[in-house]
Amino acid sequence: DARVTQTPRHKVTEMGQEVTMRCQPILGHNTVFWYRQTMMQGLELLAYFRNRAPLDDSGMPKDRFSAEMPDATLATLKIQPSEPRDSAVYFCASGTGSKNEKLFFGSGTQLSVL
Amino acid sequence: AQSVTQLDSHVSVSEGTPVLLRCNYSSSYSPSLFWYVQHPNKGLQLLLKYTSAATLVKGINGFEAEFKKSETSFHLTKPSAHMSDAAEYFCVVGGGSYIPTFGRGTSLIVHP
Repeated sequence: DARVTQTPRHKVTEMGQEVTMRCQPILGHNTVFWYRQTMMQGLELLAYFRNRAPLDDSGMPKDRFSAEMPDATLATLKIQPSEPRDSAVYFCASGTGSKNEKLFFGSGTQLSVL
Repeated sequence: AQSVTQLDSHVSVSEGTPVLLRCNYSSSYSPSLFWYVQHPNKGLQLLLKYTSAATLVKGINGFEAEFKKSETSFHLTKPSAHMSDAAEYFCVVGGGSYIPTFGRGTSLIVHP
């Protein structure tokens, strides 16, 4: 079965360190979403790409977060410098780009910033 | 503009009893509506989807949802809960834009 692959599954780091999370969308999908999930805020949209171009990153703190798609098979989310409040589960999802599409989610990266 | 409200943050049922998870939506467009399920330490998985065909939609694992335009609702039901149904459930509205809008989620607790 085709699936969205996220790495790493777990990451523990110290405050101030750079964190890079990676996502391999399903082959042929042209939309990629990054979400952050916390108990307090639920699921928050951080960034949205279509055909590798960022279309919406209004939910992402710009001073420390950055999202890119170097190619169609890789999306990255970086935090530099990381802070304890960034501790959360980060999900990547991909889709085919239609308005009624369903999204395919990865298993997430659980980030703990100490 | 579009929004979705899940009316209960937690729902607790006994195994074998019916499940009702409530969802109301708002959309300027003819909406597409989805329910996703998230089991512990897993990603989200699509349960079912409504896209203006039949108003009663059947999904996986015995779940179904009914689209009621007059009530702007899309409640999720299952006749008999199983222990494996314990999870977080998300109602999602799409169709008006390319970015789906997620509800806050409802945690389903199933007691033996």
